Amino acid sequence: GENVEQHPSTLSVQEGDSAVIKCTYSDSASNYFPWYKQELGKGPQLIIDIRSNVGEKKDQRIAVTLNKTAKHFSLHITETQPEDSAVYFCAAKIDSNYQLIWGAGTKLIIKP
Amino acid sequence: GAVVSQHPSRVICKSGTSVKIECRSLDFQATTMFWYRQFPKQSLMLMATSNEGSKATYEQGVEKDKFLINHASLTLSTLTVTSAHPEDSSFYICSARDTGKGNTIYFGEGSWLTVV
Repeated sequence: GENVEQHPSTLSVQEGDSAVIKCTYSDSASNYFPWYKQELGKGPQLIIDIRSNVGEKKDQRIAVTLNKTAKHFSLHITETQPEDSAVYFCAAKIDSNYQLIWGAGTKLIIKP
Repeated sequence: GAVVSQHPSRVICKSGTSVKIECRSLDFQATTMFWYRQFPKQSLMLMATSNEGSKATYEQGVEKDKFLINHASLTLSTLTVTSAHPEDSSFYICSARDTGKGNTIYFGEGSWLTVV
């Protein structure tokens, strides 16, 4: 079955700098890749997603890139702000399958 | 605003009692909802997939008689932790699949369960 690996587990970035979180997946049939942000004590919130027919998607300071050949996708956050501090999870899914397969999460720390 | 509502957000119960957690999709119908458990500093662990009008599908190692799931309507799924024990204390999160938005999955805010 699908396996998703996420790196790094912790990322500390100076405020204003960029942050990049990377994920790899194993099942080439996966075609949907969302990213979730989870603040302490709250449920995950969808921040951006990408489907396999697209190589890149951007929403203001957040962007996701997908390399289907290498089976990896990345989250890019530019001009980081203190409120970006949270745990970020990547996931992968095959549309015909209802389950999301999760990465282990990355704790992003924005240093003032 | 939230599209999936989870209630209660926090609950404390005594050992041996049962507690019910509700998950509602607010502005879409969800034939499929998911229940997760999350331990501190860990990723989400899928417990079961809840299907409207049919029995839930439980993941390996999850006791279906202990974690009762009911998905009686297209907007509501409930998780009942029966005969709760302190080791059941955890953060429980539901999610719902919005077929009207390309199967995008939205999460509830989670429920903190403490069994004393």
